[in-house]
Amino acid sequence: ILNVEQSPQSLHVQEGDSTNFTCSFPSSNFYALHWYRWETAKSPEALFVMTLNGDEKKKGRISATLNTKEGYSYLYIKGSQPEDSATYLCAQEGGSEKLVFGKGTKLTVNP
Amino acid sequence: NAGVTQTPKFRILKIGQSMTLQCAQDMNHNYMYWYRQDPGMGLKLIYYSVGAGITDKGEVPNGYNVSRSTTEDFPLRLELAAPSQTSVYFCASRTGGSVQPQHFGDGTRLSIL
Repeated sequence: ILNVEQSPQSLHVQEGDSTNFTCSFPSSNFYALHWYRWETAKSPEALFVMTLNGDEKKKGRISATLNTKEGYSYLYIKGSQPEDSATYLCAQEGGSEKLVFGKGTKLTVNP
Repeated sequence: NAGVTQTPKFRILKIGQSMTLQCAQDMNHNYMYWYRQDPGMGLKLIYYSVGAGITDKGEVPNGYNVSRSTTEDFPLRLELAAPSQTSVYFCASRTGGSVQPQHFGDGTRLSIL
């Protein structure tokens, strides 16, 4: 079983702050790294799927980087807004059809 | 385009009862998954399927059964409900054969009393 760790568990920031959080995963048997955004009372929505070492993806104010050699990915949010409040999940895909999810980072953006 | 549809949204069961959680997708996805989400524990994979007629166990399969007779449907069955199965259940699907994200249903909240 792959072990995917996310930190911090929770984070409170003020509107306008930029923030980032970490996803750590075993660097062996790596196939892809997924990021999902999960708002309360809704279902997870895909943000990014990354496969290549050094890969960077961006969607609006949210971006992610990937380091497969050392086994980590960062998710960045620039100029946080209250609507960014959600739990951010990462998941590693290890070459099978399965994803192993971390426990998530819960972000609260205070107006 | 409905995406992934789960029914019911909520259900209360008594210990020992059985029920089937329904999941249907209209995106012609080969891969389908069932997860449970417990507080502080993230998403745990129960069962998954890579195509009609093919299913396999995930991390926490005990107490559950699945079938995949069509590409569209992937029901999850609880045979003898136990309090430990109180959880929120999510179904997901994705295209197979390439690195694609999963699409999730809205979840089924199940309480067993």
